[in-house]
Amino acid sequence: QSALTQPASVSGSPGQSITISCTGSSRDVGAYRYVSWYQQHPDRAPKLLISDVSNRPSGVSIRFSGSKSGNTASLTISGLQTEDEAVYYCSSYATNSHVLFGGGTKLTVL
Amino acid sequence: EVQLVESGGGLVQPGGSLRLSCVASGFTFSNFAMNWVRQAPGKGLEWVSGIIGGGGDTKYGDSVKGRFTISRDNSEKTLYLQMDSLRVEDTAVYYCAKDRWELLRGNYFDYWGQGALVTVSS
Repeated sequence: QSALTQPASVSGSPGQSITISCTGSSRDVGAYRYVSWYQQHPDRAPKLLISDVSNRPSGVSIRFSGSKSGNTASLTISGLQTEDEAVYYCSSYATNSHVLFGGGTKLTVL
Repeated sequence: EVQLVESGGGLVQPGGSLRLSCVASGFTFSNFAMNWVRQAPGKGLEWVSGIIGGGGDTKYGDSVKGRFTISRDNSEKTLYLQMDSLRVEDTAVYYCAKDRWELLRGNYFDYWGQGALVTVSS
């Protein structure tokens, strides 16, 4: 199965909101509510932001939210802060029991 | 506090072998599936393999199936990845990642190690 599709980059100003899309298929994103999102700063390990489409783990800011419609999931970051500048990856469990990742979206906070 | 510490990375020639280890602490290791996720230099994340908490079921990504073997020693709280027939394209940072529960289903990874760099080059 192919990787999930994300935009290569997005940008926003401090205080604004941005949304990152993640498009898959009926065999992965569309099949289950098992979509997760990760944040990765340079030279750091990824950090879980969202699980099961829209659940925020303890300690993750409420500024991060997730949703899904059909084969496309989305991550929204509201009230952008400079420390949000990072690469964001979506992930989905697939019908072949594999885990897929998106190609990553680099967020620039202008 | 959950901690995952990888070791065993290094430089290896194409066709060679390497074994990565990941020592876990801060949680009941045998109760959770564990995974390996890799990241080639400047590239995105790629799921490599997963193993259930009891060790009796494993899954592999298509790019490594038949060459890599995942295993675990629950008494030592250690996860392993045996990598054989290594290729240049296997060059990456390999992360050990804890799963949400015991099974390989609906996976998400709530804790990650710091990563181990594997370089395959002649």
